[in-house]
Amino acid sequence: EVQLVESGGGLVKPGGSLKLSCAASGFTFSDYYMYWVRQTPEKRLEWVATISDGGSYTYYPDSVKGRFTISRDNAKNNLYLQMSSLKSEDTAMYYCARGVGPFDYWGQGTTLTVSS
Amino acid sequence: DIQMIQSPSSMFASLGDRVSLSCRASQGIRGNLDWYQQKPGGTIKLLIYSTSNLNSGVPSRFSGSGSGSDYSLTISSLESEDFADYYCLQRNAYPYTFGGGTKLEIK
Repeated sequence: EVQLVESGGGLVKPGGSLKLSCAASGFTFSDYYMYWVRQTPEKRLEWVATISDGGSYTYYPDSVKGRFTISRDNAKNNLYLQMSSLKSEDTAMYYCARGVGPFDYWGQGTTLTVSS
Repeated sequence: DIQMIQSPSSMFASLGDRVSLSCRASQGIRGNLDWYQQKPGGTIKLLIYSTSNLNSGVPSRFSGSGSGSDYSLTISSLESEDFADYYCLQRNAYPYTFGGGTKLEIK
């Protein structure tokens, strides 16, 4: 059974940093692109980052480029999102998702709140 | 960036109704359009990928269609578990963008 379990969310002050993790199981992690998607309190979904199966290629929207870094450890079946220079508008539920083109499996999410 | 407009933003329907949800892109997206369902509690599930392909395990009452910039998700006969939020996603070009969602509520 495919499982994606996010962790690492919390309350951070503006300008702070945080690293999210996503533990994957039930499939060959190194065969898949992986994604981070966030859902704002207004329930809007926003794609946040993509990483290729081998980790060589990454993609970000302008809203997080230069502040967020997606990475993966294929030996440990873990996906990461390092976030810095956090802003209030980064407050959201963060989901990791597996990609085969579409996002065919999603985790249950971890919440980030950016507030002073 | 490609903007995705979903309509309606919310709708009421009854058990057994046939409903169609719309997703319009600001430019052609060559069928690279998926539909996702989110139930209360937050779990997000892929329903339809690449316009019209039913994901494994998804009931056949769900179907997708469209081309160019206009796409739709149809539920042929609503069941109680279908009352949820629905989102479209274009992955024709980065940045990938989601529609604003349609909240489907029971009448």
